[in-house]
Amino acid sequence: QKEVEQDPGPLSVPEGAIVSLNCTYSNSAFQYFMWYRQYSRKGPELLMYTYSSGNKEDGRFTAQVDKSSKYISLFIRDSQPSDSATYLCAMPTPGRGSGAGSYQLTFGKGTKLSVIP
Amino acid sequence: EAGVAQSPRYKIIEKRQSVAFWCNPISGHATLYWYQQILGQGPKLLIQFQNNGVVDDSQLPKDRFSAERLKGVDSTLKIQPAKLEDSAVYLCASSRLQGDSPLHFGNGTRLTVT
Repeated sequence: QKEVEQDPGPLSVPEGAIVSLNCTYSNSAFQYFMWYRQYSRKGPELLMYTYSSGNKEDGRFTAQVDKSSKYISLFIRDSQPSDSATYLCAMPTPGRGSGAGSYQLTFGKGTKLSVIP
Repeated sequence: EAGVAQSPRYKIIEKRQSVAFWCNPISGHATLYWYQQILGQGPKLLIQFQNNGVVDDSQLPKDRFSAERLKGVDSTLKIQPAKLEDSAVYLCASSRLQGDSPLHFGNGTRLTVT
């Protein structure tokens, strides 16, 4: 079982729809959860960052964490064509290196979202 | 604040050739990462630097990949010799601190090995 599972889609929705993006994870050591957005031919950019179970809202975006089920979600309200991108969940864990402070982000595969005008 | 700069944006080489990528992180960011993103996959960490020291290179294929950050600022990643499976986007990222400090990514170098 992979550490982070994410349905790659693609997901296509009409403008204005509510979008739900999800990831599951297997490692109970994950404490922090991130969502990155990656536009075509660009690097990922941090969208949401949450520590705890429950919901965190930022404008049209809501991140939800359920640690008991090892399940995280990102909801997008009133989706816009400009939201068309790949959404990656990511979780930081201690890295496998021997150096102090070794730290690694484990990413899901990403879900490609298209919002149709 | 200027972002993470990477060059070149695109590179096409034949297998068994060598290639180098350059990264300049955000000013003041001590931690620098190189990630490999194969098409349809999430980024995978290759190497992490803290200033000019290597913190984690456990997933770097050291028989062909090398990286350095000599002065603790910019960094280069080299592949020699390249294989077909090295075709990917190579992303550089930096963060202010280690641990769970958010990463800021560059736009990557898209490498095609033919």
